Amino acid sequence: EVHLVESGGGLVQPGGSLRLSCVVSGFTFSSYWMHWVRQVPGKGLVWVSRINVDGSSTSYADSVKGRFTISRDNAENTLYLQMNSLRVEDTAVYYCARGNSADYWGQGTLVTVSS
Amino acid sequence: DVVMTQSPLSLPVTLGQPASISCRSSQSLVYSDGNTYLNWFQQRPGQSPRRLIYRVSNRDSGVPDRFTGSGSGTDFTLKISRVEAEDVGVYYCMQGIHWPMYTFGQGTYLEIK
Repeated sequence: EVHLVESGGGLVQPGGSLRLSCVVSGFTFSSYWMHWVRQVPGKGLVWVSRINVDGSSTSYADSVKGRFTISRDNAENTLYLQMNSLRVEDTAVYYCARGNSADYWGQGTLVTVSS
Repeated sequence: DVVMTQSPLSLPVTLGQPASISCRSSQSLVYSDGNTYLNWFQQRPGQSPRRLIYRVSNRDSGVPDRFTGSGSGTDFTLKISRVEAEDVGVYYCMQGIHWPMYTFGQGTYLEIK
């Protein structure tokens, strides 16, 4: 059974950093592109970033480019999102999702940026 | 950037009645491989999104057959033949071929009237 479990969220001050993790199981992680999507509570879904199967290619939404870094460790079946220079508007639930058609999602981890 | 536009944004439905959600893309979602990359998701209250339909009309495993996806090119529809209480939530369409990588519609909130 496919599982994606995010962690690492929490309360951080503006300008601070957090590192999110997404540990996966039940499938061959190294065969799938992976994505991060965020959702402000009560609002819609917004794509954040994606990474190809071996980590050699990454893309970011304009709103996070230069501040967030996506990476992966295929040996550990783990996807990461390093978030630096956090802003109040980055407050959201962050989901990891599998593949370019988003067939499986994690349960999400809440990031709150507030002073 | 491609824009996905859903309507209606709010959909009150009587139990047992049909429901229909429209999704329009600002660009064709037909890829060079001939497939059309339009997916539908359901997000129940307090849950993460769940994919219901992929490539326009293919139901994911475990999705009831009362959910049907249709459409082509830039215009797509999700239909629920008879709404049940467990269908309450927000429904999103999503394209997966144009930049940005995933683009979602605004979401349609389905509630029981």
